[in-house]
Amino acid sequence: GENVEQHPSTLSVQEGDSAVIKCTYSDSASNYFPWYKQELGKGPQLIIDIRSNVGEKKDQRIAVTLNKTAKHFSLHITETQPEDSAVYFCAASRGGTSYGKLTFGQGTILTVHP
Amino acid sequence: DGGITQSPKYLFRKEGQNVTLSCEQNLNHDAMYWYRQDPGQGLRLIYYSQIVNDFQKGDIAEGYSVSREKKESFPLTVTSAQKNPTAFYLCATTGQDQPLYFGPGTRLTVT
Repeated sequence: GENVEQHPSTLSVQEGDSAVIKCTYSDSASNYFPWYKQELGKGPQLIIDIRSNVGEKKDQRIAVTLNKTAKHFSLHITETQPEDSAVYFCAASRGGTSYGKLTFGQGTILTVHP
Repeated sequence: DGGITQSPKYLFRKEGQNVTLSCEQNLNHDAMYWYRQDPGQGLRLIYYSQIVNDFQKGDIAEGYSVSREKKESFPLTVTSAQKNPTAFYLCATTGQDQPLYFGPGTRLTVT
């Protein structure tokens, strides 16, 4: 089955700096890669996703890049703000009818210091 | 949290008791999922259902059971056979070619 590894497990930055979280996956058939943000005691919320026919996707301060050859994808947050502090999860699936059958990474605790 | 309701938010049970977690959605989504989250870990898939009256095991189905009698509802029963039931349980749904959308979760503590 699929295996997703996520690094780093914790990340501490100053407000205004950039933050980068990286994930690798094992299943070459995976073609859908979402990123979720989870605040304490709440369910995860989708912040951005990318499909394998696209190498990069941006949404304001957030971007995701995908390298299918190397089987890795990354989340980039620019101009970080204290409200970006949360746990971030990457995930992978084969898409299609399997959009919801996600394999998740272990999570990254991001702390943005004012 | 929108159209997915999970109740209650916190649930306490004694060891050896079965407990049922509720999940209701008004998004008209066909597919529903149950994930389990343990401290410091990612989410793991327990069961999923892509249509009424049909469901499949996920990666960690042992000790759990589900039913899907209505499109809107997908309850999860944690049985006494589940060895480590204390966890945060998340229900989620997807529509056609739509991303996974999570509910607010139920934190189950078994002592």
